[in-house]
Amino acid sequence: ETGVTQSPTHLIKTRGQQVTLRCSSQSGHNTVSWYQQALGQGPQFIFQYYREEENGRGNFPPRFSGLQFPNYSSELNVNALELDDSALYLCASSSSYAENEKLFFGSGTQLSVL
Amino acid sequence: DAKTTQPNSMESNEEEPVHLPCNHSTISGTDYIHWYRQLPSQGPEYVIHGLTSNVNNRMASLAIAEDRKSSTLILHRATLRDAAVYYCILRDNTGKLIFGQGTTLQVKP
Repeated sequence: ETGVTQSPTHLIKTRGQQVTLRCSSQSGHNTVSWYQQALGQGPQFIFQYYREEENGRGNFPPRFSGLQFPNYSSELNVNALELDDSALYLCASSSSYAENEKLFFGSGTQLSVL
Repeated sequence: DAKTTQPNSMESNEEEPVHLPCNHSTISGTDYIHWYRQLPSQGPEYVIHGLTSNVNNRMASLAIAEDRKSSTLILHRATLRDAAVYYCILRDNTGKLIFGQGTTLQVKP
């Protein structure tokens, strides 16, 4: 089975621009979550999608939005980029969002905002 | 969200056991204790999880205190490849993982 893949691996944008990051979940997984990891910090939960519906959101502004597609792949969109948005963005998939399920993470997209 | 407390860093010698502690005094009855690790330049990797009983898998063992307010991740024989940041996380039925700072494990040859 294929793992979680994210694209692109690296991205450079300027302040004010918009960006779309993509994630292909592991085969058979219907739940995708996104995390932001600033340098030297632990990942922070952005939001989670279950069967194409957002079912959980962290403390991030509305300019962070997402989609989950019928094949359970997902996108993270960030509008009006700010310098502080520079971070590693991680996608994780799982069979459900139950508390005893394990998450499988991709290697992330490193976003730099100049 | 229930929180966990871990030491910032620990050191171990190669091929010796490592015990990584975690305190979670505000754990609720249905929270699962999860451990993930993150190697440099990679996404987090699942290690082990449990609810009340001690758990073993091919990577590690998880010892859970009887009152569930603390747990210990045990790596039986540390290798250089085990050098990573280890995160202890309480997972509730919302599905989200709340990461703390984790414990940076250094393994000395």
